[in-house]
This record gives sequence, structure tokens and C-alpha cells, in this order.
Amino acid sequence: EVQLVESGGGLVQPGGSLRLSCAASGFTFSNYWMHWVRQTPGKGPVWVSRIKSDGSLTNYADSVTGRFTISRDNAKNTLYLQMHSLRAEDTAVYYCAKETDLSGNFIDHWGQGTLVTVSS
Amino acid sequence: EIVLTQSPATLSVSPGERATLSCRASQSISRNLAWYQKKPGQAPRLLIFGASARATGVPARFSGSGSETEFTLTISSLQSEDFAIYYCQQYNNWPLTFGGGTKAEIK
Repeated sequence: EVQLVESGGGLVQPGGSLRLSCAASGFTFSNYWMHWVRQTPGKGPVWVSRIKSDGSLTNYADSVTGRFTISRDNAKNTLYLQMHSLRAEDTAVYYCAKETDLSGNFIDHWGQGTLVTVSS
Repeated sequence: EIVLTQSPATLSVSPGERATLSCRASQSISRNLAWYQKKPGQAPRLLIFGASARATGVPARFSGSGSETEFTLTISSLQSEDFAIYYCQQYNNWPLTFGGGTKAEIK
């Protein structure tokens, strides 16, 4: 069974930094693209970033480019999101997600999310 | 960026009734659309991909249809466990984008 467990969320002041982690199990982590998606209450999810299976390629939403860095440690089956220069509008539940191995870039498994609150 | 508009925002349905949820794309996305179910405190769950293919383990009462810009998720007979929020997502163009959701609530 695929399991994705996020951690590292919490309260941080504007301008601060936070690193999220996602522990993956139940599948061969090193074979899959992985994503971060965030969601604020009452709104639809918003894609944040993705990373290739071997870590050689990354993509970011315009809103986080230059502030967030996605990375992975395939030996530890762990995905990361390093967040700097945090803003109030970054407040959200952050989900770790696994991309399918079928045709297309859709997400086939999600974690339960970790809450990031940016406030003074 | 492709905008997905879901309607209605809230759907009030009695158990056993049919529910029809709509997702409209701002431009053609072929059949590159997925549907997810979200319940409070749970991870989102993939229901449909490729506009109409059911994911593993998804009951047959869930069906998807459509192409280009108009898509529909139909739940043929709502069960108590189906009351949740449903989101569509396109993966035809980057960035991936999601709709705002339809909440299926008990009437």
C-alpha cells in the first residue's frame, strides 16, 4: 500500500523558512516523479512543484519560484520542500503526492498533508 | 494557465439519488482530466483519470465522461460514504491546475 506521510509544518513568521518532509513507502520511490500541492480552506488545490525520479529535473509554480526548493533523497525514500521568504499567502495545507506511471502526469496518491501557517 | 470551473459549488442529494458534477476547462485539454474525492482529515483519493477510466478499487457507481472542454463525473446512486468534496484536475498543460471543487452534501 502506498503511504505518504508529511511532516515539518507549523507556525512561522513572515520572511521565515521551513522545511517540509514526506516519507514514502509501499512503492519504489526512486522510480517516480513526485509533487507538492497546497490548498487553502474553501479553495481548490494548487500545484507547487515537482521533481523527477532521479532528482535531475524540477519545476515550480511562478508563485514560489526562487523561494522554494524541492529535493529528494532516494536512499531515504524522502521528499523535501525547503521554503524561504515565506509570506502570508503561503499559508496552506501542503500535500506530498506521487505521480502515476501510466500515460499522463496526473497524481495517483496523496499524503494527508501538513499545515503551514505564516503569521506574526 | 488552464482554468477549470466546477459546478455546482454545492450539490444537495439524498442517499440513493444520482449526482452529476460538471468541470469546464478554459481551453481544450483533450481527455487529460482526473477526478479526486476529498473527505475531511483524509488524503485526496483518485477516482477517474483519462476523463473516463476508473482508478483501481473505485466502485462502478462512479463514472466520468467528456472531452475537450466539458467533463462530467456521475455518481449513479449516492452512498453515505460518497458525501465529500470532488475536484477535477487537468494534466494536458503545465502547470497542473485544479477546479474549485463541488461539495456533495446530504439533502
